[in-house]
Amino acid sequence: DAKTTQPPSMDCAEGRAANLPCNHSTISGNEYVYWYRQIHSQGPQYIIHGLKNNETNEMASLIITEDRKSSTLILPHATLRDTAVYYCIVISGSARQLTFGSGTQLTVLP
Amino acid sequence: DTAVSQTPKYLVTQMGNDKSIKCEQNLGHDTMYWYKQDSKKFLKIMFSYNNKELIINETVPNRFSPKSPDKAHLNLHINSLELGDSAVYFCASSQDWASSNIQYFGAGTRLSVL
Repeated sequence: DAKTTQPPSMDCAEGRAANLPCNHSTISGNEYVYWYRQIHSQGPQYIIHGLKNNETNEMASLIITEDRKSSTLILPHATLRDTAVYYCIVISGSARQLTFGSGTQLTVLP
Repeated sequence: DTAVSQTPKYLVTQMGNDKSIKCEQNLGHDTMYWYKQDSKKFLKIMFSYNNKELIINETVPNRFSPKSPDKAHLNLHINSLELGDSAVYFCASSQDWASSNIQYFGAGTRLSVL
């Protein structure tokens, strides 16, 4: 069973905010939402994670709905270098294994 | 300084050969991983080592043998290479076993078996 559902692809104009959605309707109380991205020909890169509160760091913001069944990763001012596959991963705090799905291919357009 | 480095970056070899991929991390992390990314871009974990001990060993042919001489290194040796082994192999590390969900990845080794 897929724990997360993401759109296969999205476009965003350079300089605008990129909002990447993720559905995780079967998330349980001890499971976190993690986001990674993979820029072409590079290894995956950790972006951000959260449990129920919204989170922000130097790379992005993570908005988790109150019922925790979905979340949105926000890149506030997308640049061409943000073009990548973005993976939303739901995992418990005690789990020790990341499982990557198919992700969302974000293309930032000039 | 590269945090997680893999060598070689590209590896082209014939079927039946034996090859090794090396991985080193200079982050002082305790835990290291090997992943395989196939042509459809699915990324799957193969092995995980914590303090030089094998923790995760997914369903991987026993032709693949990881070796961790110390905490900073996790090498992958592959015997009798097959066409289906062609993929990109990524090494990763995390601070410790408890922090396994935040991993730092290397740039990958692109293996082509002819």
